[in-house]
Amino acid sequence: AQSVTQPDIHITVSEGASLELRCNYSYGATPYLFWYVQSPGQGLQLLLKYFSGDTLVQGIKGFEAEFKRSQSSFNLRKPSVHWSDAAEYFCAVGGNNFNKFYFGSGTKLNVKP
Amino acid sequence: EPEVTQTPSHQVTQMGQEVILRCVPISNHLYFYWYRQILGQKVEFLVSFYNNEISEKSEIFDDQFSVERPDGSNFTLKIRSTKLEDSAMYFCASSEEGAGGETQYFGPGTRLLVL
Repeated sequence: AQSVTQPDIHITVSEGASLELRCNYSYGATPYLFWYVQSPGQGLQLLLKYFSGDTLVQGIKGFEAEFKRSQSSFNLRKPSVHWSDAAEYFCAVGGNNFNKFYFGSGTKLNVKP
Repeated sequence: EPEVTQTPSHQVTQMGQEVILRCVPISNHLYFYWYRQILGQKVEFLVSFYNNEISEKSEIFDDQFSVERPDGSNFTLKIRSTKLEDSAMYFCASSEEGAGGETQYFGPGTRLLVL
């Protein structure tokens, strides 16, 4: 069965530091992978997505993610975090034979000044 | 930029009462979805809707739940007789088509509290 695991519930980083949020998925075929961000009072905003091709994908707000099939991972990275990046981040998987998404539990990012 | 909107942002209700959560999907989108997130748990799929009928539903989506597109713009989720365990954040989403893995655009959510 399809599933997504985000091992880190909370992460705190200093402003300007690099960030990596982990996401592991379980899916038998080639997945479609997404990262969404939710700021307080806002909806789930799409950061980036992987469908096929280049395994390193660029998204909005300076985020990138790398698909590693061998590790069933799709980790989100940002080289230098800004205070406005404080939010909750969700990884999700979709697939060819279904149109619903499976989400991880989310990772809450706190940014220290 | 077009966005999905949801009303109300918060709803408090008594157990056993009916609630209707409202969503306005992006106007040219054809597939609509409801998800929910119980506090501290994963965002879970509830139901997808296309061409005025349910295309898929999860085991959570029992007879207490229903969805409707009452007009050309709104998409609603009704819970007939709320239970304490229905307390959650409910997200509406839409996509242009229902192709596998197509991007879904989410609304800000309605936080439902059942007392």
